[in-house]
Amino acid sequence: SAVISQKPSRDICQRGTSLTIQCQVDSQVTMMFWYRQQPGQSLTLIATANQGSEATYESGFVIDKFPISRPNLTFSTLTVSNMSPEDSSIYLCSARKGGGAHEQFFGPGTRLTVL
Amino acid sequence: AQRVTQPEKLLSVFKGAPVELKCNYSYSGSPELFWYVQYSRQRLQLLLRHISRESIKGFTADLNKGETSFHLKKPFAQEEDSAMYYCALSSGNTPLVFGKGTRLSVIA
Repeated sequence: SAVISQKPSRDICQRGTSLTIQCQVDSQVTMMFWYRQQPGQSLTLIATANQGSEATYESGFVIDKFPISRPNLTFSTLTVSNMSPEDSSIYLCSARKGGGAHEQFFGPGTRLTVL
Repeated sequence: AQRVTQPEKLLSVFKGAPVELKCNYSYSGSPELFWYVQYSRQRLQLLLRHISRESIKGFTADLNKGETSFHLKKPFAQEEDSAMYYCALSSGNTPLVFGKGTRLSVIA
């Protein structure tokens, strides 16, 4: 298994500012992902964080708005840039061990409120 | 395209009654199906996966390729089963695609 921690756990931000969310895994993982869960909604994949290369974004999400870093096999960051109230959501980090295992582990989430 | 459909947003059952949470999927290949559960104030966690063919906390789910379904069942609901349940699909190295979720409420 893999235990994932995220920082911060929650934040309240002003419109137009940016927030960087950190994700730390307690063991090396092959794949890391970022999801968004808006109030009352399901999980929507934002991007796959690739080590050593640019993240792979899903339709509707762009690098300028959600820059992602993944410097090694246990750590990733997601930045929410130039925030607006529509960005208020829970942001979840997820990881997969690889080696044929498709199970994904999830962090506790970061609850973001944009005023 | 991969898609997961959970038709029920909310399901309320009495304690001791059987539970069935529906999940249908669309994918042309051979997917791997999962059920994840999120209890109040806890993180999302894996409940079971179809390749394991095991029972977790009394829950089972059978993959029916003909009907493209992966319904979650439990013969006797318990109050501690109240939670949000998500059906999810993956194939190859693709990340999980989730359904919209079903909130199960077990009434004492």
